[in-house]
Amino acid sequence: ILNVEQSPQSLHVQEGDSTNFTCSFPSSNFYALHWYRWETAKSPKALFVMTLNGDEKKKGRISATLNTKEGYSYLYIKGSQPEDSATYLCYGGDTGRRALTFGSGTRLQVQP
Amino acid sequence: DVKVTQSSRYLVKRTGEKVFLECVQDMDHENMFWYRQDPGLGLRLIYFSYDVKMKEKGDIPEGYSVSREKKERFSLILESASTNQTSMYLCASSASPTNEKLFFGSGTQLSVL
Repeated sequence: ILNVEQSPQSLHVQEGDSTNFTCSFPSSNFYALHWYRWETAKSPKALFVMTLNGDEKKKGRISATLNTKEGYSYLYIKGSQPEDSATYLCYGGDTGRRALTFGSGTRLQVQP
Repeated sequence: DVKVTQSSRYLVKRTGEKVFLECVQDMDHENMFWYRQDPGLGLRLIYFSYDVKMKEKGDIPEGYSVSREKKERFSLILESASTNQTSMYLCASSASPTNEKLFFGSGTQLSVL
């Protein structure tokens, strides 16, 4: 099982700041790359599922890009708000099995 | 929207007990998953099922078994609960294990004393 890695592990930003995180994954045998948002006391919710190299997805102030050749994806949040505070998980990789692997997440805290 | 229901939000059991965690989904998904979440370790896959009666071991299957007799229900079984199985357990389902998003239940916080 090859690892999916996320960085940074945690991030503190001020309201209004823009921020981004990275997910790196093995570039061989690529299937898909997902991003999830996990708020405290709630269950993870899907933000994006990307399958093609060069994919860019956007939902409001949040966007994501995908580079399958070099094995990374970026998640961007423009003008962070306190309600963006959550753990952001990516899911992908080549596990040699049907299910993919979650990264350990980036914990974002946005200070008002 | 898809609903994934886990039978208990909180559960307290004693060491050595047999524990059943139940998960039901209402969207006819073929794929169902059991994860555990521990601080600093993210979501780790315990078992995965891609069809009725079909299962695949995840990253940490030791001490667990699963049952999928009907498409909508996926059960996680702790044959003899131990204190190191105290954790948050999350169930998920999806139409595809790779290209479709996962839908999660609200989780079961299991404490083994």
